[in-house]
Amino acid sequence: NAGVMQNPRHLVRRRGQEARLRCSPMKGHSHVYWYRQLPEEGLKFMVYLQKENIIDESGMPKERFSAEFPKEGPSILRIQQVVRGDSAAYFCASSQTTYEQYFGPGTRLTVT
Amino acid sequence: GQQVMQIPQYQHVQEGEDFTTYCNSSTTLSNIQWYKQRPGGHPVFLIQLVKSGEVKKQKRLTFQFGEAKKNSSLHITATQTTDVGTYFCAYAQGGSEKLVFGKGTKLTVNP
Repeated sequence: NAGVMQNPRHLVRRRGQEARLRCSPMKGHSHVYWYRQLPEEGLKFMVYLQKENIIDESGMPKERFSAEFPKEGPSILRIQQVVRGDSAAYFCASSQTTYEQYFGPGTRLTVT
Repeated sequence: GQQVMQIPQYQHVQEGEDFTTYCNSSTTLSNIQWYKQRPGGHPVFLIQLVKSGEVKKQKRLTFQFGEAKKNSSLHITATQTTDVGTYFCAYAQGGSEKLVFGKGTKLTVNP
């Protein structure tokens, strides 16, 4: 039973470029969460999605960030026109109910 | 939403010594979860506590939830080098059950 999968594991982007981060939840899981972690910090909630629906995006910056979880395929976190402050580890988590969340390995984004 | 404060931020111990990290909230929490993150890794769920005064054990790890449900602790007995990592407390907030994390306690163990 494959765990939560994220790709790419490492992503380097120049300022102004777009970053696309992908997350495939565990089989049977319909809840997907995205979190951001700055160095030496805890994880900060960004967005919670179910298939084709954004349930809670209260942690998403108002501009440049968007997320989707289409009917088919992985969940995508998209960051447009990246800036240096976007450099962080982005973790996706999935759950079957609203109890235990299983985290993926993360995407380490570096903006140069 | 409520914040959870974790102390200490860093802890260095000799292998075999005990370790405790504390998680405190100014308001009552409905639940508390603990996660471990190894260096360069991702958070791994350890346990969830929901009852006032609850105590749960996993081998050398003991988790407690305070009577007032405002604080929690994780205690590791006789640390080993495999215990190295950052330990986070978190609680699930609201209907979406999004997790609100503390800043973590980073544990290093000297062999």
